[in-house]
Amino acid sequence: KNEVEQSPQNLTAQEGEFITINCSYSVGISALHWLQQHPGGGIVSLFMLSSGKKKHGRLIATINIQEKHSSLHITASHPRDSAVYICAAPYSGGGADGLTFGKGTHLIIQP
Amino acid sequence: EAQVTQNPRYLITVTGKKLTVTCSQNMNHEYMSWYRQDPGLGLRQIYYSMNVEVTDKGDVPEGYKVSRKEKRNFPLILESPSPNQTSLYFCASGGQNTGELFFGEGSRLTVL
Repeated sequence: KNEVEQSPQNLTAQEGEFITINCSYSVGISALHWLQQHPGGGIVSLFMLSSGKKKHGRLIATINIQEKHSSLHITASHPRDSAVYICAAPYSGGGADGLTFGKGTHLIIQP
Repeated sequence: EAQVTQNPRYLITVTGKKLTVTCSQNMNHEYMSWYRQDPGLGLRQIYYSMNVEVTDKGDVPEGYKVSRKEKRNFPLILESPSPNQTSLYFCASGGQNTGELFFGEGSRLTVL
């Protein structure tokens, strides 16, 4: 079964800073998910990526399949980016599979 | 509007009283799944389904049942709820092509 580790667990930064959240996994995968959960509980899918890099607005996700590592970057961070960020990978690496999750990174952006 | 709808959103019940949490999606997605979220443990998968009549256990299936008789619905059944099933539950769906997951708003269940 895939083991997913995230770091840091908690991160507090000032508005405008460049943010990096890391995710590593133990079993080679077909794709990895990044999710965002705001206070109040709703979960939104940010990215699903299987190689290289994806960008959406100020969010950038990268993945290195060989190193079994992914990063989520936030440029020009803003207080509205304050949320829990969660990565998730398939149990055994394949596409038709359940997901295992990291414990999440609690991000606070101070004005 | 594309959405995943869970009901009920909040429920307080007692040990042993069977309950069902419904989940419905309007995006014709093949993949549907249930998760529970607990402080300190994060999200954990309960069951998932790759298509109609196909279901598989996740990390924590004990005490839960599911069925997938129609593509749009994936109910979660607690036959005899116990206090350790007090949790925040999420349903999600996803398309095979994009893989993007769409989550319901969550159902907060308390078992006394």
